[in-house]
Amino acid sequence: QQPVQSPQAVILREGEDAVINCSSSKALYSVHWYRQKHGEAPVFLMILLKGGEQKGHEKISASFNEKKQQSSLYLTASQLSYSGTYFCGTEYGGNTGKLIFGQGTTLQVKP
Amino acid sequence: EAGVAQSPRYKIIEKRQSVAFWCNPISGHATLYWYQQILGQGPKLLIQFQNNGVVDDSQLPKDRFSAERLKGVDSTLKIQPAKLEDSAVYLCASSLTGAVYNEQFFGPGTRLTVL
Repeated sequence: QQPVQSPQAVILREGEDAVINCSSSKALYSVHWYRQKHGEAPVFLMILLKGGEQKGHEKISASFNEKKQQSSLYLTASQLSYSGTYFCGTEYGGNTGKLIFGQGTTLQVKP
Repeated sequence: EAGVAQSPRYKIIEKRQSVAFWCNPISGHATLYWYQQILGQGPKLLIQFQNNGVVDDSQLPKDRFSAERLKGVDSTLKIQPAKLEDSAVYLCASSLTGAVYNEQFFGPGTRLTVL
């Protein structure tokens, strides 16, 4: 039931783009995206709901494909501050608040 | 607006000892979560409270872990007795109850090392 994230790790140069995917084996109600820097708490980035609504940071975009049961996070024109581990958290069955997190994708942005 | 507060930030104990962690959520957030994050993994939900009632504790090892939220605000998570495999970061998070966008706000965590 844990969502699967891909890739496991990405190395970018500043200004390059990246896509992180999150796939579920069952129908999703929502997908939450968080970024966690080493030794710090996860920070909320984006939430995408079944039906198309979403809320998140201006500079972050994401998609939610209900049919394919997956979400993708798009990081464009990456900055050094984008480095960290990205987690998707999946919610099933409704607005329960119960998230199951993926194993994470580590992103490193180099100058 | 103050964030989620947790204490202590670090704790080192011997196996079979007991330990307790404290969390104070964002003011007005009725839903509180405790997660366990083992190094290199995503957070795993241990228990979810709404006010002072338990919503979900299906992944809480109840033979050694307990949690309470007596007045619907602060919460305490206890481990007794601790095992080596309990070494992890324990994260507390809170969210608005019933909101359409129920994003969770995490505290800084307590890093537990069991020797």
